[in-house]
Amino acid sequence: ETGVTQTPRHLVMGMTNKKSLKCEQHLGHNAMYWYKQSAKKPLELMFVYSLEERVENNSVPSRFSPECPNSSHLFLHLHTLQPEDSALYLCASSQGTGLGYEQYFGPGTRLTVT
Amino acid sequence: AQSVTQLGSHVSVSEGALVLLRCNYSSSVPPYLFWYVQYPNQGLQLLLKYTSAATLVKGINGFEAEFKKSETSFHLTKPSAHMSDAAEYFCAVRSNSGYALNFGKGTSLLVTP
Repeated sequence: ETGVTQTPRHLVMGMTNKKSLKCEQHLGHNAMYWYKQSAKKPLELMFVYSLEERVENNSVPSRFSPECPNSSHLFLHLHTLQPEDSALYLCASSQGTGLGYEQYFGPGTRLTVT
Repeated sequence: AQSVTQLGSHVSVSEGALVLLRCNYSSSVPPYLFWYVQYPNQGLQLLLKYTSAATLVKGINGFEAEFKKSETSFHLTKPSAHMSDAAEYFCAVRSNSGYALNFGKGTSLLVTP
């Protein structure tokens, strides 16, 4: 148990659906991240929030829309996804964004786009 | 840009044998390096990190890693493998130009009785 929770753990959605992934951290951290983990590929950073402000957006398609209403919660809103978006989506948090801060990961949401 | 390469996508060891998982890094500045473990259907758990202090870093579950600048390596070791060590292991380096952890492709560790 890392102190980072994600819901739902599994999600199946059609290409025309709209859904949201939720992440909550109970560690008092100031930074939160979304990563995508696809089969046979390294983890890819999608978004970074520091003190509720988006500080990095790694060329992610607009069909993924993040939201960080406060330092404890992070959402990833999904719409009109493609089958290649099927992956494990991992949320992480860290105390700060400095180089030495380790990131703590949640268990992930396994997304399948049909 | 900072990157890591993990040699061997699959490693198999016998229970009680030495575990050695290899990671080489590429960085133009002193790197910040991490090892994470991922058990099936779970997220990533930090095993240990190197942040330019001691070159031999001890982590959880009996794992340790040694930073060798001359070899640009940060290999993960454990003297005696347990069945419970079977998992996917990821080496990562902190990006100096942004906020990302740049991960390797992972090494799947199989422990046989």
